[in-house]
Amino acid sequence: GESVGLHLPTLSVQEGDNSIINCAYSNSASDYFIWYKQESGKGPQFIIDIRSNMDKRQGQRVTVLLNKTVKHLSLQIAATQPGDSAVYFCAEIASGTYKYIFGTGTRLKVLA
Amino acid sequence: DTAVSQTPKYLVTQMGNDKSIKCEQNLGHDTMYWYKQDSKKFLKIMFSYNNKELIINETVPNRFSPKSPDKAHLNLHINSLELGDSAVYFCASSQDRSRGYTFGSGTRLTVV
Repeated sequence: GESVGLHLPTLSVQEGDNSIINCAYSNSASDYFIWYKQESGKGPQFIIDIRSNMDKRQGQRVTVLLNKTVKHLSLQIAATQPGDSAVYFCAEIASGTYKYIFGTGTRLKVLA
Repeated sequence: DTAVSQTPKYLVTQMGNDKSIKCEQNLGHDTMYWYKQDSKKFLKIMFSYNNKELIINETVPNRFSPKSPDKAHLNLHINSLELGDSAVYFCASSQDRSRGYTFGSGTRLTVV
């Protein structure tokens, strides 16, 4: 099923620390996942993706972990910077479909 | 050179009016989408066109009508605007399902 909008959870992290943002996805048939970053006044931007046949993928300062057993996705940001402050969304898509389902989002606040 | 551009960026209008939001992409993508983002940042798909053909039509009021004159354009027309239509509307495009979307910067619609 699709996620229902709730209050936007907020994660506050000290600058330089690592951040972990979690996402519970809804469809066990989803085979591809993306993390998006949305800064204020802008549209979501692609950060990193992972396919269901993988459990970990690394990018520059970001790592995505996928646990299909419990339908859980996480985004790890190393050495968090002020420019990382944004709302982060996970999105899933099921095989044979064109429709991405977005999670409820997490606001990341980086404290100086 | 903007990849996905929406106009207008802001739209304030009275209840009962009819308005349109335009979207153009210069990425050569085959598929375009409209998403609605509510005040809690929840993103929900509304419509999708693949090469001018409607492929996703979620449960939205029939006051909303998408129009795709060609694969680079997807416009959204809204009749008889209601207060609950106030939201940020995002246009997006993709080449194929496994590479995610490129989003526009959004149109903030306020119905008064």
